[in-house]
Amino acid sequence: DAGVTQSPTHLIKTRGQQVTLRCSPKSGHDTVSWYQQALGQGPQFIFQYYEEEERQRGNFPDRFSGHQFPNYSSELNVNALLLGDSALYLCASSLTSGNRYEQYFGPGTRLTVT
Amino acid sequence: RKEVEQDPGPFNVPEGATVAFNCTYSNSASQSFFWYRQDCRKEPKLLMSVYSSGNEDGRFTAQLNRASQYISLLIRDSKLSDSATYLCAVRDAGNNRKLIWGLGTSLAVNP
Repeated sequence: DAGVTQSPTHLIKTRGQQVTLRCSPKSGHDTVSWYQQALGQGPQFIFQYYEEEERQRGNFPDRFSGHQFPNYSSELNVNALLLGDSALYLCASSLTSGNRYEQYFGPGTRLTVT
Repeated sequence: RKEVEQDPGPFNVPEGATVAFNCTYSNSASQSFFWYRQDCRKEPKLLMSVYSSGNEDGRFTAQLNRASQYISLLIRDSKLSDSATYLCAVRDAGNNRKLIWGLGTSLAVNP
């Protein structure tokens, strides 16, 4: 049973550049949530995708956008990178139906903006 | 008041000790609660889910107190390998696809 996968694992970008991060959910899951986690902080919710649509969004600017594909995989795009975007970006997958709602995380992409 | 609050710690305990963390939540309509463990520079890993009054898994026990709106995590017979950050997450009552996260409690188990 494949778990959540993310790519790349590490990335170094320059201010002003754009970045795309990728996530494949756990087998059988249909919902992908993206989080940003700065060092020493809890995960900050960016947005969530279900049925290829953004369903919920956290307090992040429009520079952060995403997409979900028919196979449930997802991308997170960040434009016009700022130094403050340096963080661990986590993808979590879950199954929307049913009464249980555990989210399972991928290993994350560590983004450094210089 | 924050939606989900945790004591950041750090909690420093000797091996074999029992330690408990609390997580308070603001929305009394919340129904589902989760404890995750996160090691340094790694992703959070699901430790326990709580949908009713509590849950137990080996040395770990989670208990829900709805009246006081908090969930606790008890770790018995602490091991060195239990050293990590413990994150509490609460399912958003208004949006059942979203989890609301605390900032985490840091635990260091010392020899």
